[in-house]
Amino acid sequence: SAVISQKPSRDICQRGTSLTIQCQVDSQVTMMFWYRQQPGQSLTLIATANQGSEATYESGFVIDKFPISRPNLTFSTLTVSNMSPEDSSIYLCSAVDPGTDTQYFGPGTRLTVL
Amino acid sequence: AQSVTQLGSHVSVSEGALVLLRCNYSSSVPPYLFWYVQYPNQGLQLLLKYTSAATLVKGINGFEAEFKKSETSFHLTKPSAHMRDAAEYFCAVSYPAAGNKLTFGGGTRVLVKP
Repeated sequence: SAVISQKPSRDICQRGTSLTIQCQVDSQVTMMFWYRQQPGQSLTLIATANQGSEATYESGFVIDKFPISRPNLTFSTLTVSNMSPEDSSIYLCSAVDPGTDTQYFGPGTRLTVL
Repeated sequence: AQSVTQLGSHVSVSEGALVLLRCNYSSSVPPYLFWYVQYPNQGLQLLLKYTSAATLVKGINGFEAEFKKSETSFHLTKPSAHMRDAAEYFCAVSYPAAGNKLTFGGGTRVLVKP
């Protein structure tokens, strides 16, 4: 199974600022995703991070607010831009093990916006 | 669009009693099905998955789930609850042909009483 790490694990930010979250996988993977988990809620897919091309965003999420980079097959970043308190959530990255089509998750980044 | 329904946002069981968490999906094509567990302040851990092989799937920590196509269900069970099973459980579906994106149910929080 893929082992995924995220940095930072948590942060407290001021409104109007931006935060970049890093996601590192211990092996090369084709598919990486970013999810949001709002307080007390389930997970919602933000976007698919495509290597070598622009990310594919789900309905309700836009590139200007959540720019994503995927420079290689083991790394991706998600930026939460111009933050407001409504962006306070846990942000999780995931990767699909190419041999089993199973999705594994990082430990998440807990973001609080004041 | 596919959806996943978990019946019961909270379940309370006594230690040693049966744990039963219900999950139903809606789609005309059988998906891949997953159960994930999220312990407090942690990411998601895969419990088990169904990918069109045996309909009774055994996972980690004594959990198992049965895929029933006629009922479009994938309920999770454990014969005897332990205190360490207190966590939130998420059912999810994906379709490899659609890019392995996961759609999650609303989650069920399990409380284990001594």
